[in-house]
This record gives sequence, structure tokens and C-alpha cells, in this order.
Amino acid sequence: GENVEQHPSTLSVQEGDSAVIKCTYSDSASNYFPWYKQELGKRPQLIIDIRSNVGEKKDQRIAVTLNKTAKHFSLHITETQPEDSAVYFCAASMGNYGQNFVFGPGTRLSVLP
Amino acid sequence: GAVVSQHPSWVICKSGTSVKIECRSLDFQATTMFWYRQFPKQSLMLMATSNEGSKATYEQGVEKDKFLINHASLTLSTLTVTSAHPEDSSFYICSARSPGDNTGELFFGEGSRLTVL
Repeated sequence: GENVEQHPSTLSVQEGDSAVIKCTYSDSASNYFPWYKQELGKRPQLIIDIRSNVGEKKDQRIAVTLNKTAKHFSLHITETQPEDSAVYFCAASMGNYGQNFVFGPGTRLSVLP
Repeated sequence: GAVVSQHPSWVICKSGTSVKIECRSLDFQATTMFWYRQFPKQSLMLMATSNEGSKATYEQGVEKDKFLINHASLTLSTLTVTSAHPEDSSFYICSARSPGDNTGELFFGEGSRLTVL
């Protein structure tokens, strides 16, 4: 089955700096890669996603890149702010319906003022 | 986006008792819902896939007789932790996809924090 790895497990950056979180997946059939942000004690919220037919996607300060050949994808957050502090999970999935997501172990991001 | 709601958000119970957690899709019908368990500082681990009108599909290592799942309607799935023990204390989260949403996004409930004394 699918296996998703995520690095680093913890990341501290100064406010205004960029943060990069990387994930790798094992199953080449996976074609949907979302990123979720989870604040303490709250539900995960989708922040950005990318499909296998796209190499890069950007939404304001957040961007995701995908390298299908190498089977890895990355989350980039620019101009970080204290409210970006949270745990970020990547995931890999096959198909739109009825297919489970496999989540990475998470990255705890701390943005220092 | 679609709304998924869980209840209760917080429950404390004595060891040996059973606890039921409800997961509702508020503005869409969900033929499939997913139940996850999350221990402190860990990732979301899929426990089972809840299928409306049929038996749930459990992940390897998850005891189906301990974690009873019922998906009796298109908007409600329940997870019952039977004979709960302290090691069952965790954050349980359900999720679902909206059939009308072609993005594939998974919508999560608020989560239910279970503490077994």
C-alpha cells in the first residue's frame, strides 16, 4: 500500500521567512496530494492541493510543487506569520471517490515573532 | 465547502463503559465516511471506512468488535468504543467527501476527544 513520509517533523522559522515541508510517496498510482493544517485540538483544514497532471500550484503565500518522477511534493509558505504556526499534514490519494487518504506523520511549524 | 459535524466534542468515561460518537454530514449525503484516530503529536491513522447500508471496512489491526461502526443513513455514521480502556483515550475524527464536489477534498468533523479513566 501507499506510504507517505514527511520531513522535517518540526520546523521553526522567524516571522517573515519562508518554510518548506517535503513529502514523499511510494505508490505511483496516487494522483491527488492535499495539504492540511491542523491547529491544536481542532479539525484538519485543507490549505492547498495538487493533482498529478500539474507541477505547481500557488495560492497567495502558499505554494505546492509536485515531482511525479521522483514521487515527492513540497509545501512552500512565504512571508510566514505567527498564525501559520500549526501542524501540517501532507497526504496522497488515488481517485476522487472511495479511495482512502494516506497521511504523512506531520510537521509542527512554529513561526517565531 | 461541505460541513461535517461530530458529537460529542469531549467525553470522559470510566473504564469498561461504552462511548458513542456521532458524525453527521450537514449539507450533503455521504455514502462513505472515514474514521480516524489521532494520538497526541501523531498523525491521523485511518481506523475504518464506514459504508452506508453495509458493513464497515476496518484497517489492519483495528478490532471491529471493539470499535463498532454503524452507517444507517446517508448523513450519519456512529463509532462506538465498547468496553473502553485508558489506552483507547485519543482524538477521534471523522471525515467525508461531498459527492457533488469533484475536487476530492476530504472534509473533517471537529473531532471527539475521548478520555478513559
